[in-house]
Amino acid sequence: GQQLNQSPQSMFIQEGEDVSMNCTSSSIFNTWLWYKQDPGEGPVLLIALYKAGELTSNGRLTAQFGITRKDSFLNISASIPSDVGIYFCAGPPVNFGNEKLTFGTGTRLTIIP
Amino acid sequence: DSGVTQTPKHLITATGQRVTLRCSPRSGDLSVYWYQQSLDQGLQFLIQYYNGEERAKGNILERFSAQQFPDLHSELNLSSLELGDSALYFCASSDRQGRDNEQFFGPGTRLTVL
Repeated sequence: GQQLNQSPQSMFIQEGEDVSMNCTSSSIFNTWLWYKQDPGEGPVLLIALYKAGELTSNGRLTAQFGITRKDSFLNISASIPSDVGIYFCAGPPVNFGNEKLTFGTGTRLTIIP
Repeated sequence: DSGVTQTPKHLITATGQRVTLRCSPRSGDLSVYWYQQSLDQGLQFLIQYYNGEERAKGNILERFSAQQFPDLHSELNLSSLELGDSALYFCASSDRQGRDNEQFFGPGTRLTVL
């Protein structure tokens, strides 16, 4: 089946550092979504991207829709303890139906004291 | 709070049993989606309903079924449970009239099969 590859798989950073992660696919996407999941909780939608090249911010988070439509990037500036969690990219691959989301493998963010 | 509710929060049962998970979408959302998240696995799409009708199917086992009722709440039925069915089950909803790719997730039901 369809797979979205996220990197890095995990990150260990210090509070205050900036974070970058990305998501790549072999298929074209018309929409890219970024979610954050805390342990035992449901994913929370952070940012939605709808156009190739689009750059969208939500507070300290900035995400970009790659020009090739096969990738997306998420940056977090000046990380704080509540940023800890797993970040997932997601999207409906063009050839798999408009609403069926495929989720990435996730990037686990840990902040070192 | 996403506005999507799921019950129960936790469910512990034995192999061979049948359980029903319930989901209420956000007010006004017509689409409901079910996902399974196993330990160390990503979210796997199971099935989608839109306004009472099945719209899309993913990797859903034949032992699993779902339905969406006239009041738009949905139930996921899992039968002949196996140990491997232990997982978090999430429901999500979206607004078909708007950005229907933006799915909002409930808090999940943690199913443990012993």
